[in-house]
Amino acid sequence: DVKVTQSSRYLVKRTGEKVFLECVQDMDHENMFWYRQDPGLGLRLIYFSYDVKMKEKGDIPEGYSVSREKKERFSLILESASTNQTSMYLCASWGHLHGYTFGSGTRLTVV
Amino acid sequence: SQQGEEDPQALSIQEGENATMNCSYKTSINNLQWYRQNSGRGLVHLILIRSNEREKHSGRLRVTLDTSKKSSSLLITASRAADTASYFCAPLIYNQGGKLIFGQGTELSVKP
Repeated sequence: DVKVTQSSRYLVKRTGEKVFLECVQDMDHENMFWYRQDPGLGLRLIYFSYDVKMKEKGDIPEGYSVSREKKERFSLILESASTNQTSMYLCASWGHLHGYTFGSGTRLTVV
Repeated sequence: SQQGEEDPQALSIQEGENATMNCSYKTSINNLQWYRQNSGRGLVHLILIRSNEREKHSGRLRVTLDTSKKSSSLLITASRAADTASYFCAPLIYNQGGKLIFGQGTELSVKP
């Protein structure tokens, strides 16, 4: 069974902390994506990556960075967490064989 | 960015009724996908329809695609309370590397 795994379902962090959200896929996909989802705004693309060490900005990259050191792992980094980054974060990977697969999400609260 | 826009934003029906959700987009696409999301969870892929297809069925789901109108619809027949969820469409363009841009979704509520 193909899988995208996000390391945490729920996370509470303090303002100013550096936060790492981890995502791992087991389908050997080149393409991986980070979205955030907020009520009334739907899903918005933060960053995506086509290959190891490659990254592209999505629609709302401000305040975030990413890391793709290995093909199976795509990390989202909040350099200095702020309360407006409280959200549901969804990771996904995509390949021609499997299509799109999403993780189950990480609900981040910044206090 | 290519984005799917769902309509209506919210839909409330009785169990056993059919639910129809619509999606519009702006540019040419390679395929269009529908996803479902239960409250607080990740997205689950429901069905994919390619640009050269007009209709596709999967169990109680029926999807249509009209590329001339740049629109798609998702029909859920004989709905059940367990169908209560948010539904999203996502048009896909291959030369954008699989990047999906989602709309706000349709929130479906099926009352028993």
